[in-house]
Order: sequence, then C-alpha cells, then structure tokens
Amino acid sequence: DVKVTQSSRYLVKRTGEKVFLECVQDMDHENMFWYRQDPGLGLRLIYFSYDVKMKEKGDIPEGYSVSREKKERFSLILESASTNQTSMYLCASTTGGWENTEAFFGQGTRLTVV
Amino acid sequence: GDSVTQMEGPVTLSEEAFLTINCTYTATGYPSLFWYVQYPGEGLQLLLKATKADDKGSNKGFEATYRKETTSFHLEKGSVQVSDSAVYFCALSEAVGNRDDKIIFGKGTRLHILP
Repeated sequence: DVKVTQSSRYLVKRTGEKVFLECVQDMDHENMFWYRQDPGLGLRLIYFSYDVKMKEKGDIPEGYSVSREKKERFSLILESASTNQTSMYLCASTTGGWENTEAFFGQGTRLTVV
Repeated sequence: GDSVTQMEGPVTLSEEAFLTINCTYTATGYPSLFWYVQYPGEGLQLLLKATKADDKGSNKGFEATYRKETTSFHLEKGSVQVSDSAVYFCALSEAVGNRDDKIIFGKGTRLHILP
C-alpha cells in the first residue's frame, strides 16, 4: 500500500522556536508538496519540489523554507515560529512525468504555536 | 493562472438525499480534474478523477463528468449516507514538460449528512 508519512500528528511549539516537519514517501515519486490548510481558505501551497535538492516557491512561502536531500524525504522548516503559523500542514507527492496523476497525502500535522 | 471554484459550504442534507457539489475551473491547457475527500482528522484521499473531456469519474456511488464546454466538474451522488460526511475538494493539474505542474485546489465544501 502506497504511503506518505508525516512525522507527527500534533505539535505544540513556542513562538520563536525553529520547527521541522518531516514527510517521507515510499512510492519513488518525483514531486513533493507542502500545503497548509486553514478554515475558509482551503489548501494553500507553501513549497514544492520536483527533484532532489530542487525547490520552488508556492503561493505563501514567507516564513518557511524546505529541504530535499533525498528523493523520499521533504522537510518543511519554520525558521522562527509565530502564532499565525498555527495550522494544519499537509504533505503530498505525485509521480511526475507527462501524465496528470493523483496526489497522495500524508495524514497531516496539526501545529499549534503558543 | 489556473483556478478552481467550488460551492461554499457547509452543505447539510438528510440521509438518502441527492447531492450536488458544483465545481468550475479555468485552465490554459488540458488539465486532469479530481475530487478529493477529507474525513475528520485525516489527510486528503482521491475520490475520483477524469483526464479528458467527457470522461466520467466514479467511485463509492459518487460521479463527476468532465465538461469542457462549461468548464465544470460537478460532484453528484444519488443517495448520501451519514458516512459521507466530510470535506470535499475539487482540484486540477496539468503536466508541464517532464514534471507535473502544481495541483490547484478549490477551497473545499464541508458536507454534513443527518441521520
């Protein structure tokens, strides 16, 4: 069974902390994505990556960075967490290539910044 | 740029009612269209998809037809169940070169089914 796994379901961090959200996929997918989900705003793309060590900004990259050192792992980094980054974070992956294939999602990480 | 617009919720229906959730899109090329579902406390999972005009996607009693002339991909189900209560997202994606373009999601529609 294909899987995208996020390292934590729930996290509570303090303002100013550096926060790492980890995502691992076991499908040998080329593309990986980080979204945040907020009530009334749907899913907003933070960053995505279509290859190892490659990254592209999404719609709301400010305050975030990412790392993709290995194909299966895509990390989201909050350099200095703030309360407005309290949200549900979703990681996803797709195969890449000419076909428009479905995205596979992790279970989500609910981050609270206090 | 590409975009997806879906009806706002929440939508509340009684069990066995007919469901329609509207979705329209704008795209420059020939996207694939998707409906994803998010059950409480979980990530999104694919419900159905259609890759070209006039294709019909179906799964678990849900259906949606890719209408290029009206740029729509409305989700329908003839008789909903309490277990269908979830948030539904319409989405599109277009492959660009040798990699997928980013996936564009609608804002989601929360569905409540009353027993």
